[in-house]
Amino acid sequence: GIQVEQSPPDLILQEGANSTLRCNFSDSVNNLQWFHQNPWGQLINLFYIPSGTKQNGRLSATTVATERYSLLYISSSQTTDSGVYFCAVTPGTGANNLFFGTGTRLTVIP
Amino acid sequence: DSGVTQTPKHLITATGQRVTLRCSPRSGDLSVYWYQQSLDQGLQFLIQYYNGEERAKGNILERFSAQQFPDLHSELNLSSLELGDSALYFCASSVDQAEAFFGQGTRLTVV
Repeated sequence: GIQVEQSPPDLILQEGANSTLRCNFSDSVNNLQWFHQNPWGQLINLFYIPSGTKQNGRLSATTVATERYSLLYISSSQTTDSGVYFCAVTPGTGANNLFFGTGTRLTVIP
Repeated sequence: DSGVTQTPKHLITATGQRVTLRCSPRSGDLSVYWYQQSLDQGLQFLIQYYNGEERAKGNILERFSAQQFPDLHSELNLSSLELGDSALYFCASSVDQAEAFFGQGTRLTVV
């Protein structure tokens, strides 16, 4: 099946810092989503972004489908941004379930 | 609130037992997906239902089964439970291949 790789695996930031998380995928995709899993385990939708750029407050995301990667930008990080960020994709052909990357664990310290 | 409801939130049971996890999708969503999140395997797709019919199977064990009812809620049945089945089980719903929304998950602990 399609491979999804995320980097870095772990990230520690001082509050107020900016960061960029990367997601590479091995084949064409119909769907790409970014999720935040908070410390209570909830998976929160951040972006539905199979291509292009979107912004939502301090967060923005860009997917370059032709080059098979997506980036999630977090600006002015806050302690509540801590958790694990997952990228998940649906392949361009065949299955229409999501394939998840292994995540980036973000810790924001005050 | 994603609009997807899962019950129960927590479940503790003994090895060899059977449990049922329940999911109510967002209003209007015909597709329901089940995923398992374990420490060693990450987030893995188990099974998908679309408007009452099984559409796709992933890494679902034979001891596990699911169904989707006419009102579109879904149940995941886990039987002959083993310690290794301890995990967070998520249900997600979507309008076919569009954006998927996840429930809060059921944390299953097998002792």
